[in-house]
Amino acid sequence: DAKTTQPPSMDCAEGRAANLPCNHSTISGNEYVYWYRQIHSQGPQYIIHGLKNNETNEMASLIITEDRKSSTLILPHATLRDTAVYYCIVRPRYNNNDMRFGAGTRLTVKP
Amino acid sequence: DVKVTQSSRYLVKRTGEKVFLECVQDMDHENMFWYRQDPGLGLRLIYFSYDVKMKEKGDIPEGYSVSREKKERFSLILESASTNQTSMYLCASSSTRQGGNQPQHFGDGTRLSIL
Repeated sequence: DAKTTQPPSMDCAEGRAANLPCNHSTISGNEYVYWYRQIHSQGPQYIIHGLKNNETNEMASLIITEDRKSSTLILPHATLRDTAVYYCIVRPRYNNNDMRFGAGTRLTVKP
Repeated sequence: DVKVTQSSRYLVKRTGEKVFLECVQDMDHENMFWYRQDPGLGLRLIYFSYDVKMKEKGDIPEGYSVSREKKERFSLILESASTNQTSMYLCASSSTRQGGNQPQHFGDGTRLSIL
């Protein structure tokens, strides 16, 4: 079962930042936080991951709290194509087969 | 960009048929995975492979087998298809470089219906 808690749904206005929260209060020291999204009828798409430092790439930013018990995925300028289910996953560093997807957050970007 | 290609987006088969789902990745990844995704149940791992000719059972291997004869290709086999195997099947691959901290990359899935 998933080790993360996410809100079931969120809305965001097009062009605004989308901030998606995730709680992972039982995370251990060697576990990473990964984010994926799944657009309808497609496979999950990798977005970003991190251990304890904040991370940024061309898609998003990941902010991890100092105690590592929660994180926020930020899409800086959401577009309609960002409408998807977003999954936050906690994954052990050396366990390649451990991908426990929970229910995720359904983000709807509105015009 | 990593490319994981699944041979079919949609497939309809009959009960009792032997079904082959094919997956190819172009990034020389060592690890490959097969999942199924069902509403309310999330992704469930069926089988995975860390190397050619190597396979490991995941959480729900019953009724399935796999084959990995070449590094880039991982096949999922439904030995005798049943209606409860109607599902979305997802293939993924990942690298073991950089100490194991590598994301899995997914294909677009095969929506399989067993009639």
